[in-house]
Formats: sequence, C-alpha cells, structure tokens
Amino acid sequence: DAGVIQSPRHEVTEMGQEVTLRCKPISGHDYLFWYRQTMMRGLELLIYFNNNVPIDDSGMPEDRFSAKMPNASFSTLKIQPSEPRDSAVYFCASRSLGQGSGELFFGEGSRLTVL
Amino acid sequence: AQRVTQPEKLLSVFKGAPVELKCNYSYSGSPELFWYVQYSRQRLQLLLRHISRESIKGFTADLNKGETSFHLKKPFAQEEDSAMYYCALTDTGRRALTFGSGTRLQVQP
Repeated sequence: DAGVIQSPRHEVTEMGQEVTLRCKPISGHDYLFWYRQTMMRGLELLIYFNNNVPIDDSGMPEDRFSAKMPNASFSTLKIQPSEPRDSAVYFCASRSLGQGSGELFFGEGSRLTVL
Repeated sequence: AQRVTQPEKLLSVFKGAPVELKCNYSYSGSPELFWYVQYSRQRLQLLLRHISRESIKGFTADLNKGETSFHLKKPFAQEEDSAMYYCALTDTGRRALTFGSGTRLQVQP
C-alpha cells in the first residue's frame, strides 16, 4: 500500500477562491481524520469520519470549511471562500482499530498558501 | 475535555547530551498516550505508545498518572534525532488523537 495519499501537495491561491484538498486513506481503514498544522497551534483536529460518516466536526473553524467522504477510499476538505489565515499544512490520516496496532497513519500533507 | 501541553517550542542540545521533551495532559479518564515524530520532509509517524512500554531509537517515555505527564527521554542525543515531536492522547471511547503543539528538537554537532 502506498499509504495515505493527499493532493495537491502545494496550493497557492488568492483570497476568496475555493480550495479543495483530497485524500485517499489506506485501504481497509475505517477511520479518516483531517488535521491542520500551524506554527502557533500545532496539530488541530478538524473532523473525523468512521465508515464514511462524520463523527465529530467540532474542530472545523467555521462554515467556510466543509468535508465529505463519499466512499471508503476518498475524502475532500473544501474551503470556500479561502482567507489568508487559512494558510497551513492540512494533513489527512487514517487508522483501523480492528487491524494491527490501530496506529494513525498520516499523509504527506497539503501545504496551502492563501494570498 | 482532553488537552495536551508541550511547554517548549524549541529544545536545542548538543550531540551526546541527554534529552527530555516534556508533555503534560489533562484528562479525567484512562488515556492512551503517544509520541509522534516528523523528520524533515517526511510524514508524521508514530514513535512510541505508552502501552507498549518499548524503547524506539533509544527513546523511552513513562506515563506518570500522578503528575499527568508523559515525558520523552533519551540519554544520548544524536544529530539524526533532530525533528518535530508531538505528544498525543486518546481515550478508549474517542477514536481521534488530540495533539500538543509540538516541540522542535535540534541536536547540534
């Protein structure tokens, strides 16, 4: 398995534009997480899914952020409209509590810069 | 609410010196604690978990429930240990990990 795959790796956009980040979890993992990493706040949980169903979205900053998981192998995080303060690295991660150690596996991240 | 505190943003030591990365948590139940590491240009990855009681790359961490701490220690730092270290916790009911703000370890030659 290639691990958790995220795209794009880098995104530079202008304020007000829509941004869509994509994630393919490890096959067989039933939990998917979106985290945001900033220098000031470290890693913050935005939302997580279990079997494609959103379980906790209390970390989503505001209505400009939305996330979907239409099937077990794909999830998106959308920001509309984007703002400069959204600039961060967004990580997707997945895990399976029924297999192995239940370790959380991270993607390489999507670095977003909003000008 | 769960909370993880890593008081140091940056820890700089010389090669061969002991290292202790501090982590304190607040949680009323029985947490499971982890240390994750992010080397330059690599993915965030699991370093160790308290239930395993193992030593990875010379690092150990002991859960101290009385002090609600899970400090990461290594007796002799190596240059390749330079990385960002995150302490994290979860409980048996919640599936998501709560991370601290991270500590950057710099090991100088």
